[in-house]
Amino acid sequence: DAGITQSPRYKITETGRQVTLMCHQTWSHSYMFWYRQDLGHGLRLIYYSAAADITDKGEVPDGYVVSRSKTENFPLTLESATRSQTSVYFCASCQQCARGQYFGPGTRLTVT
Amino acid sequence: QKEVEQNSGPLSVPEGAIASLNCTYSDRGSQSFFWYRQYSGKSPELIMFIYSNGDKEDGRFTAQLNKASQYVSLLIRDSQPSDSATYLCAVFPNRDDKIIFGKGTRLHILP
Repeated sequence: DAGITQSPRYKITETGRQVTLMCHQTWSHSYMFWYRQDLGHGLRLIYYSAAADITDKGEVPDGYVVSRSKTENFPLTLESATRSQTSVYFCASCQQCARGQYFGPGTRLTVT
Repeated sequence: QKEVEQNSGPLSVPEGAIASLNCTYSDRGSQSFFWYRQYSGKSPELIMFIYSNGDKEDGRFTAQLNKASQYVSLLIRDSQPSDSATYLCAVFPNRDDKIIFGKGTRLHILP
């Protein structure tokens, strides 16, 4: 039972490079979410998706792009990484979201 | 006004005592409420959710909800060092499918 996985778990990249963080879930949950977590800010929603081919912006979408061609995958792309995007990124999913979301293990991204 | 507010802590509690974590929320139409536990370097883990006024118990954990006061709490009985973590309060406002998270309270159980 893999649940929800993220890859890579750790990534170091340079300013200006494109980076894609992967999220995969095996539960067939309709809803998927991307958050970043930084000291002092807590969890901030970047983008979310209610179903395949349906995505919407969250609180901090600038500099990020998402797609969802398949229900189980929700990749997050940083088109041109900046140092301010150094953070821990969490993916989450839910079906009956009123009963809670379930998080992946996270990706720690460092932009140098 | 922030949507979900928690005291950041740290809250220090002796081992074996009751730890009490509190949270207030702003949207009166909120439907359900959650407590997540997050160990350092790990992802948030859902430990409790509640949607009716009153108490909900699960092992050593009790979630309490008071919708009139817009207040949610988590009690941890017989606190153990392994309970040391950050606890995130979260709310499902039912405006859309998003959950709103508080910034968390750091709990430290003293051996």
